[in-house]
Amino acid sequence: GENVEQHPSTLSVQEGDSAVIKCTYSDSASNYFPWYKQELGKGPQLIIDIRSNVGEKKDQRIAVTLNKTAKHFSLHITETQPEDSAVYFCAAHANFGNEKLTFGTGTRLTIIP
Amino acid sequence: DAGVIQSPRHEVTEMGQEVTLRCKPISGHNSLFWYRQTMMRGLELLIYFNNNVPIDDSGMPEDRFSAKMPNASFSTLKIQPSEPRDSAVYFCASSLGQHQPQHFGDGTRLSIL
Repeated sequence: GENVEQHPSTLSVQEGDSAVIKCTYSDSASNYFPWYKQELGKGPQLIIDIRSNVGEKKDQRIAVTLNKTAKHFSLHITETQPEDSAVYFCAAHANFGNEKLTFGTGTRLTIIP
Repeated sequence: DAGVIQSPRHEVTEMGQEVTLRCKPISGHNSLFWYRQTMMRGLELLIYFNNNVPIDDSGMPEDRFSAKMPNASFSTLKIQPSEPRDSAVYFCASSLGQHQPQHFGDGTRLSIL
């Protein structure tokens, strides 16, 4: 089955700087890669996703890049703000016909004011 | 728009008791997912339904766990009998279908004493 590895597990960034979180996946058939943000006491919330037919996607301060050859994808947050502090999860979807997502282990991002 | 609604938000009970978690998906969504989140195992899929039919229950830990979806607007996850190792946060999510974003509820924090 699919295996998703996520790094780093914790990340502290000065407010205004950029943050990068990286994930690798094992199944070359994976074709959908969402990123979720989870705040304390809340469920994960989708912040951006990318499909395998594109290499990069941006939404304001958030961007995701995908390298299918290397089987890795990354989340980039620019001009970080205190409200960006949360746990971030990457995920990958592999099997056509099965909607199962495999999640990474999460990155706790702390923005230092 | 109302998101995914889970109840109860917190549940504390003694081992051996039956526990029932409830979920109301977003109206119009035809896929529903039950996840469990723990520090040790992260976010793991237990079971998911499509059009009220269980599709993948390979993540259900054992026979003590059961899930039902009697109609498009309601699902339950039942644990009987409960054990301390079942303590976790249980999330329900719903989506429009494959490769569509999964929207999570805010979870049920379950503590088995």
